[in-house]
Amino acid sequence: EAGVVQSPRYKIIEKKQPVAFWCNPISGHNTLYWYLQNLGQGPELLIRYENEEAVDDSQLPKDRFSAERLKGVDSTLKIQPAELGDSAVYLCASSLERDTEAFFGQGTRLTVV
Amino acid sequence: KQEVTQIPAALSVPEGENLVLNCSFTDSAIYNLQWFRQDPGKGLTSLLLIQSSQREQTSGRLNASLDKSSGRSTLYIAASQPGDSATYLCAVRDSNYQLIWGAGTKLIIKP
Repeated sequence: EAGVVQSPRYKIIEKKQPVAFWCNPISGHNTLYWYLQNLGQGPELLIRYENEEAVDDSQLPKDRFSAERLKGVDSTLKIQPAELGDSAVYLCASSLERDTEAFFGQGTRLTVV
Repeated sequence: KQEVTQIPAALSVPEGENLVLNCSFTDSAIYNLQWFRQDPGKGLTSLLLIQSSQREQTSGRLNASLDKSSGRSTLYIAASQPGDSATYLCAVRDSNYQLIWGAGTKLIIKP
């Protein structure tokens, strides 16, 4: 069974440019998460979806970040415009339901220069 | 507000030793607790999930325990190997279904 798939693995962009990340969760998983992780710290939730509904986006900086999960399967996370402080690893995870085991993708390492 | 703490932040032990990693949380109203490992530059790998009604879970050389009343979980690693070197994170699923994370313990197993 395929795990959570993210792309790209690495991205380097100049500040003020847009960037997008893609996530394909484990088949059948209803809950999808986007996290941000800085070096030496635990993940920080950006947004959580249950099917296609964003049920927790309180930590998403909505002035520059947006996310969507069409048809309740794949998801994209976008930053526009990117800032130097956005450099981090962006992790996608999925779980069968909102209280079951979470599985993570390999992450996308974003560097903003 | 739920807070999760992992002590120590780093641990170095010789190969072959048994070791215990600690995770504590402030609010006992949790659905479950999950242990992960993270290798440098990689995503998180789920190791064990303990439901709030359970006391322990085992997978191979790993054994995780949960004492919800005291807000503690431990991850026991038997007969440690250099390949066990990684950062270990615990996360609790709180009453709002959020995963609340510790900062992790960086484990180094010396050959």
